[in-house]
Amino acid sequence: GESVGLHLPTLSVQEGDNSIINCAYSNSASDYFIWYKQESGKGPQFIIDIRSNMDKRQGQRVTVLLNKTVKHLSLQIAATQPGDSAVYFCAERPGGGADGLTFGKGTHLIIQP
Amino acid sequence: EAGVTQSPTHLIKTRGQQATLRCSPISGHTSVYWYQQALGLGLQFLLWYDEGEERNRGNFPPRFSGRQFPNYSSELNVNALELEDSALYLCATRRWGDGNTEAFFGQGTRLTVV
Repeated sequence: GESVGLHLPTLSVQEGDNSIINCAYSNSASDYFIWYKQESGKGPQFIIDIRSNMDKRQGQRVTVLLNKTVKHLSLQIAATQPGDSAVYFCAERPGGGADGLTFGKGTHLIIQP
Repeated sequence: EAGVTQSPTHLIKTRGQQATLRCSPISGHTSVYWYQQALGLGLQFLLWYDEGEERNRGNFPPRFSGRQFPNYSSELNVNALELEDSALYLCATRRWGDGNTEAFFGQGTRLTVV
C-alpha cells in the first residue's frame, strides 16, 4: 500500500529513451486500473486504462502492463519527449461493487535533454 | 463540452477560518470525488458524493465536509483551518454506475492557510 507523507519518487531519463514507471497496488479484488499524468499546476489527466481481464494494453507511445499475480502495474512510455515530464499516478478501482478510485503516491518523471 | 470546473483557483485564508471550495461536474456526471494534494505529495482521497449522498470518506477529520447539490455540483468545506491544510484540492467527476471509466479532474483550487 501507499505511504502517507512520503515525497514523490523520481525517475530521470534521457530524451528519446524509453521510460518505465511502476506501481504496486494493494487490493487483489481491484478490477480496473488507470494511469494519470499531472503536469505542474494542472489537474491529473487520463493517459490509459486497463481492465483486470487483460494483461497488456497499448496506446499512442504508451503501454500499460498488469501483473495480477504480484499486484503490479507499469506504464511504459516510448521515446520520451520533454513534454512527458510530469507526475504519473496509477489508480485502482476496488471492484466488488465498490466505486471510487484509490491513487498511488505517484512518480515524478524528469526528462533530461 | 465543458470540463470539470473548480472555483476559486486560488484561496488564501487565515488559520481558524473556514474555506469553501466548489466543483461543477461534466454534464451527465453524477459522481464527484474530492482529493487533497499537499505540495510534492500524492493524492489523498477526501470525499465521494453521488446522487446527493456522501458515499465514502477518507481518513480526514470531521472539519472536512461537503455536500452535493441537485445539479450534481459539489462544495467542500474545511472548518477551523490549520496551516497543514494548505494544499491543492482536486475534484474529479464520473458517471454513476459506469465503474470502468476514468474520472475527469478539474484544475484544482490552491488553498493557502497563513
